[in-house]
Amino acid sequence: SQKIEQNSEALNIQEGKTATLTCNYTNYSPAYLQWYRQDPGRGPVFLLLIRENEKEKRKERLKVTFDTTLKQSLFHITASQPADSATYLCAFLPYSSASKIIFGSGTRLSIRP
Amino acid sequence: DAGVIQSPRHEVTEMGQEVTLRCKPISGHNSLFWYRQTMMRGLELLIYFNNNVPIDDSGMPEDRFSAKMPNASFSTLKIQPSEPRDSAVYFCASNHWDRDSTEAFFGQGTRLTVV
Repeated sequence: SQKIEQNSEALNIQEGKTATLTCNYTNYSPAYLQWYRQDPGRGPVFLLLIRENEKEKRKERLKVTFDTTLKQSLFHITASQPADSATYLCAFLPYSSASKIIFGSGTRLSIRP
Repeated sequence: DAGVIQSPRHEVTEMGQEVTLRCKPISGHNSLFWYRQTMMRGLELLIYFNNNVPIDDSGMPEDRFSAKMPNASFSTLKIQPSEPRDSAVYFCASNHWDRDSTEAFFGQGTRLTVV
């Protein structure tokens, strides 16, 4: 069956360190992969998009990688700050229906001062 | 634009009652999504529309759930009859999908409690 897996356990990081979140998938052929941030009581907010033929994408302190061989995406936040504390979700747009957006369950990130 | 607007923000209803959730997408967007979020199951896609037409409703849990999009500026998700296990946060999202822009914009969500 098709699965998108993110670390279910919360990730606790010291301020200033790099936070790395993982998204693994099975039985998907994603054309696009997105990362979103969700704060408590609010809807997810888009952060970054990476396409299947791209290895890496950066935006300010954020970096996303996409490895179709490992079937994995990594999301990095460098120089992390307490304001980065939130739940981060990865999402796939499969080839079979590129406008459909399917989400992982998310990983809660806490940055301690 | 005010973004994706959902109503109501909170809904408490008794088991067996009909519940209707409403969504106004961002003007100009051609896709609309309904999601349900719970701690146990995360953010599940229930149904999505392209140009007001339902494309994939395979995520709709059962016949008690139905969704409509009568025009480009309005969609409803109806649960009849509601059950306690339907309690969740329901999100509506919209986007204007093309190869260069797939970002989805989410509403604030409707927190549904069925007692």
